[in-house]
Amino acid sequence: DTEVTQTPKHLVMGMTNKKSLKCEQHMGHRAMYWYKQKAKKPPELMFVYSYEKLSINESVPSRFSPECPNSSLLNLHLHALQPEDSALYLCASSQVERNTEAFFGQGTRLTVV
Amino acid sequence: KQEVTQIPAALSVPEGENLVLNCSFTDSAIYNLQWFRQDPGKGLTSLLLIQSSQREQTSGRLNASLDKSSGRSTLYIAASQPGDSATYLCAGKYGNKLVFGAGTILRVKS
Repeated sequence: DTEVTQTPKHLVMGMTNKKSLKCEQHMGHRAMYWYKQKAKKPPELMFVYSYEKLSINESVPSRFSPECPNSSLLNLHLHALQPEDSALYLCASSQVERNTEAFFGQGTRLTVV
Repeated sequence: KQEVTQIPAALSVPEGENLVLNCSFTDSAIYNLQWFRQDPGKGLTSLLLIQSSQREQTSGRLNASLDKSSGRSTLYIAASQPGDSATYLCAGKYGNKLVFGAGTILRVKS
């Protein structure tokens, strides 16, 4: 099983809303990632968790708040987003060793209105 | 700064052709290089992973090569099919980060 599951698939939220994106994997991976992808652009790294601890934050605005409650789950909490935050949000996982393969989920298409 | 570049940006070929997609990277301190496929509005599907110590990997009609010294990787697709139409992304692994190229949009015409 090489599946990373993201929910919801689509999300529309207002600028004053609070919502969360969820990511789950059961491959025993201890590194999990959030990427943001704008239309016709490559994915850009947002956060990296290693052994459930935040190891990289790519200077992401505080309106995005990641959480890794256990080794299988990764959440991204959203609050007071702007329309320019509309994008495809991708979750990925891998073994912690740096030469290992990364597996991506199908993404959450977020629209901020 | 680590940068990954892909050429061409778009490619249109008739069905059955063999084709090559190119990827170059500025920093040779790469742990591995991974090729992905992305269909419109979808996530990334891993196609091939080449470790920094390897020169080549094959999976079915796909063959990927890696030359660290020149900072290049190629993805060779044999006997292309309309179902191969997608965006192909290469990504270099630096530490815990994947640095992506902008992708090549491939269209295979039937």
